[in-house]
Amino acid sequence: GESVGLHLPTLSVQEGDNSIINCAYSNSASDYFIWYKQESGKGPQFIIDIRSNMDKRQGQRVTVLLNKTVKHLSLQIAATQPGDSAVYFCSLYSGGSNYKLTFGKGTLLTVNP
Amino acid sequence: NAGVMQNPRHLVRRRGQEARLRCSPMKGHSHVYWYRQLPEEGLKFMVYLQKENIIDESGMPKERFSAEFPKEGPSILRIQQVVRGDSAAYFCASSPASSGGSGNTIYFGEGSWLTVV
Repeated sequence: GESVGLHLPTLSVQEGDNSIINCAYSNSASDYFIWYKQESGKGPQFIIDIRSNMDKRQGQRVTVLLNKTVKHLSLQIAATQPGDSAVYFCSLYSGGSNYKLTFGKGTLLTVNP
Repeated sequence: NAGVMQNPRHLVRRRGQEARLRCSPMKGHSHVYWYRQLPEEGLKFMVYLQKENIIDESGMPKERFSAEFPKEGPSILRIQQVVRGDSAAYFCASSPASSGGSGNTIYFGEGSWLTVV
């Protein structure tokens, strides 16, 4: 089955710096990826997604990069703010479904003022 | 617009008791999903339901766990004879249809935190 891993469990940055959170996946057939943000005591919140026919997608202050060759994706947050402090999960649809999400373990991002 | 509503937010049960977690999907959503999150872990898929139908329960433990989504009322995740290992956060999500590959149509609730003592 699919597995999703993260390179670092924690990341600490200064306010205003850019943040990069990395994620690796194992199933080369995966074709849709989603990043979620989870604040303490809350449910996951959709940030940005990307399909396998793309290698980059930008949102507001966030960019997702997908490297299918090495099965790696990253989330870049520009000008990180204290409100960005949360756990970030990469996820993908698993089992050939378009509804069953497999989540990584998460990276805790701490933004220092 | 109300989001996905889960209750209770926090539940404490003694070993051997039953836990019932409720989820009301967003208005207009007919598809419900339950996920479990153990401490410091990512969410794990449990079950996918539509009204009166279980579509995929491949992530549900074989015993003690059941889920339903009746024609009227919220979806219920039921855990019988709880054990300490059931302590986790249980998240419900809903979508207007099978999400069709669009993650931004899946909305998660705030979760129900179950503690078994």
